[in-house]
Amino acid sequence: AQKVTQAQTEISVVEKEDVTLDCVYETRDTTYYLFWYKQPPSGELVFLIRRNSFDEQNEISGRYSWNFQKSTSSFNFTITASQVVDSAVYFCALSDNFGNEKLTFGTGTRLTIIP
Amino acid sequence: KAGVTQTPRYLIKTRGQQVTLSCSPISGHRSVSWYQQTPGQGLQFLFEYFSETQRNKGNFPGRFSGRQFSNSRSEMNVSTLELGDSALYLCASSSGTGGLPSSYEQYFGPGTRLTVT
Repeated sequence: AQKVTQAQTEISVVEKEDVTLDCVYETRDTTYYLFWYKQPPSGELVFLIRRNSFDEQNEISGRYSWNFQKSTSSFNFTITASQVVDSAVYFCALSDNFGNEKLTFGTGTRLTIIP
Repeated sequence: KAGVTQTPRYLIKTRGQQVTLSCSPISGHRSVSWYQQTPGQGLQFLFEYFSETQRNKGNFPGRFSGRQFSNSRSEMNVSTLELGDSALYLCASSSGTGGLPSSYEQYFGPGTRLTVT
């Protein structure tokens, strides 16, 4: 069975600090996909990134960066120079490669940026 | 493009009643998935529909059912409501074609907040 663990339940940092959200996953599949979603107070899940298991290159998008390490089954997310608008719950998710779109979500990390 | 829309946004029902929630995917998306979000269980997959066929189902009792229409719009139904069914129900659509490789990014709607009293 697939499993996603986000050990950090809540994190608070002062604005402009960098913060890393951890995600560890378990799967028996050789091909799989990893995702990060943001859920602001409005409740709607916002897609941030999708990564194929064969693509271990790190990715940077503005202040966001992702570190995928297959050897440790981790897909961590770093926000550089955090801003108050980054305050949200962040979810890491995993899907299989069986021709469907089922996502297994972690329990989420609530990030609070203190002005 | 318009995003995923869900109706109604809020719903209050009584135990034992049934409820139907609606989801309209992004235009051109044929895959629609449903998730239940609660503080205790987090985000849990309910089911996924592709071209009017249920492709996958989560671990929920038979009281939870769904369907998809030819225009890709989807509905989910919960019969004999229980207090524990109170949750945010999220619908997501993707441009997945049904073949491998799969798991395209899913775009979520704002959800329907269901309260069972």
